[in-house]
Amino acid sequence: DVKVTQSSRYLVKRTGEKVFLECVQDMDHENMFWYRQDPGLGLRLIYFSYDVKMKEKGDIPEGYSVSREKKERFSLILESASTNQTSMYLCASSLASSSYNSPLHFGNGTRLTVT
Amino acid sequence: AQTVTQSQPEMSVQEAETVTLSCTYDTSESDYYLFWYKQPPSRQMILVIRQEAYKQQNATENRFSVNFQKAAKSFSLKISDSQLGDAAMYFCAEETSGSRLTFGEGTQLTVNP
Repeated sequence: DVKVTQSSRYLVKRTGEKVFLECVQDMDHENMFWYRQDPGLGLRLIYFSYDVKMKEKGDIPEGYSVSREKKERFSLILESASTNQTSMYLCASSLASSSYNSPLHFGNGTRLTVT
Repeated sequence: AQTVTQSQPEMSVQEAETVTLSCTYDTSESDYYLFWYKQPPSRQMILVIRQEAYKQQNATENRFSVNFQKAAKSFSLKISDSQLGDAAMYFCAEETSGSRLTFGEGTQLTVNP
């Protein structure tokens, strides 16, 4: 069974800190995604990647960057954390195919609080 | 840009009864994919059901079925014989392109014993 592991379930950081959220998948998936989840807004795509060293902006990339040095690992970076980045962050992965044929597999989320 | 709208922030149902969650979407594509995901308190997102717009027949997975109205751009989820374990946040989603999903706002479903 596919496993997507996010390194932290809860995280508390201070404004201005550099924050790394790590995500690892164990099924050799090409696609990896970072979403943020906020009440009343659903899930919004921050960044995604279809291959190693490759990254694409999603719908809300401002204030974030990503790194994919290895196929199994996709990191989300908050260069200078701000309180409006307090949210639930979800990582997902899938094979290089439509989500219909290869559904997304999600991690359990990291709830980040920026104070 | 694609948008997905779930107009019911909260719904409740009695155990063993049937409930329908609404979803509308907006796309200019002729072929696309639609999904319902479930997020229980554990936070683990679980795929409930999927529908290819090209197929007219409504998808069914055990107690879960959809009412797909392509012309109206509507994709509702029906849960029959509701169980306590169905209590969760439900998200409707559309595949934009290349596995990218656009999600709705979510509907929190409560199942009353």
